Amino acid sequence: GQNIDQPTEMTATEGAIVQINCTYQTSGFNGLFWYQQHAGEAPTFLSYNVLDGLEEKGRFSSFLSRSKGYSYLLLKELQMKDSASYLCAVRDKAAGNKLTFGGGTRVLVKP
Amino acid sequence: GAVVSQHPSRVICKSGTSVKIECRSLDFQATTMFWYRQFPKKSLMLMATSNEGSKATYEQGVEKDKFLINHASLTLSTLTVTSAHPEDSSFYICSATTGAGDNTGELFFGEGSRLTVL
Repeated sequence: GQNIDQPTEMTATEGAIVQINCTYQTSGFNGLFWYQQHAGEAPTFLSYNVLDGLEEKGRFSSFLSRSKGYSYLLLKELQMKDSASYLCAVRDKAAGNKLTFGGGTRVLVKP
Repeated sequence: GAVVSQHPSRVICKSGTSVKIECRSLDFQATTMFWYRQFPKKSLMLMATSNEGSKATYEQGVEKDKFLINHASLTLSTLTVTSAHPEDSSFYICSATTGAGDNTGELFFGEGSRLTVL
């Protein structure tokens, strides 16, 4: 099975930076995804990492270390609309390439 | 990106009735679709993997007879909650990938269906 851990909640100030960590254990790692989900809505894709290193996409960056089973999502220049849940998901070859989601991190951006 | 449409977005039904939720891939063919369930303030829990033309693969603890999944075409999968009870009230989300051999295999999600059983 897989074990995906991420903090439950984080609070940050508008304009600041927040880093959301995700640790995982899996037998056939085949990619890590970050999704954003606003309350009552479906998740939307943010980023994908399969090799070690940093992927940057505008204000959002995602980092992966496969040897450590660790990823983080970095949100810069926070805006009020960034208040949402951020879901870390891991794809496992040993599980038929299904995506398993972590519990999600609720980020609250304050003025 | 690819578009997945889910219908209905909200449904309220009486206990004991059955409810069908449709999931369509609008601009691509989805050989595989996934059905998730999400409780308030919780993450997505995979219920089953729906394969076109064959039986769905259910996750452990998910009742096959309770949650009927049909994937009759490459663009449509349906989830039927049979004999619904209040504990079945939840947010159900479908997703699809454009292909197993994709670069990312990213999942595209439908809008979700909020089921309330009275």
